[in-house]
Amino acid sequence: DIQMTQSPSSLSASVGDRVTITCRASQGIRNDLGWYQQKPGKAPRRLIYAASSLQGGVPSRFSGSGSGTEFTLTISSLQPEDFATYYCQQYNNYPITFGQGTRLEIE
Amino acid sequence: QVQLQESGPGLVRPSETLSLICTVSGGSINNYHWSWIRQPPGKGLESIGYIYYSGDTRSNPSLKSRVTISVDTSKNQFSLKLTSVTAADTAVYYCARGRDGYDSWGPGTLVTVSS
Repeated sequence: DIQMTQSPSSLSASVGDRVTITCRASQGIRNDLGWYQQKPGKAPRRLIYAASSLQGGVPSRFSGSGSGTEFTLTISSLQPEDFATYYCQQYNNYPITFGQGTRLEIE
Repeated sequence: QVQLQESGPGLVRPSETLSLICTVSGGSINNYHWSWIRQPPGKGLESIGYIYYSGDTRSNPSLKSRVTISVDTSKNQFSLKLTSVTAADTAVYYCARGRDGYDSWGPGTLVTVSS
C-alpha cells in the first residue's frame, strides 16, 4: 500500500493567517491526490482533486499543488470556519489510502 | 444535489456480520461508482471498497474476504456486509459517491462491535 504522511500533525494559527499543509507519498502518484476537510461529528468534504483542481463550491482561498511524491494544501487567509482536520488521499494505486490527518486549531 | 444516507444496526456482536445500506436520493445510482469508507473513533479514514452500478466491485485487501458490496439499482441503494467482526471494526461507516475520490458523502453511522 502507498503510505501518505502529512505534516504537521497539528497546527495552531489565527484568523487571517496563511497556512500550508504538506503530504508526502511513499512512491510517486502523479497528481492522483485529493484533499478533504472534516469537522467534528461530520463527514469529510472534498476540497481539491487531481492535486490542484478546486471542487465546486469550495472557496478560492483553498489551493493545492504538487505532483509525484510531494503535495501541499494552502489556505491563503484563514477564516473561522476553516478550523478543522484535513486529510490527503491518494488514488493512484489501489487500495486508496489517506494521510493521518492535520488538525488545524485556533491559536 | 445527490444525497446519501446510511442505515443499519448500531450494535453488532463479535463474530457476527455487519450490514449497512446506503440510500441515494436526488439523483440516479446509475453511471457512478459508490464507495464505503470507515473511521474508527478518534482515528483516520480507511477505504473499504467500491461498486459500480453495473455490479463490478473491489474491496481493500486488508479486509481480505470479509467484505461484500452489492447494489440494487431498482431501489437506488448499495450495501455493505462485513463478516466475522471484532472490536477493531468499531467505526463510523460512511457511504460516498466515487471510486478514486468522493464528492458526496452520507452523514455516517456509528457501528459498535460489542457483546
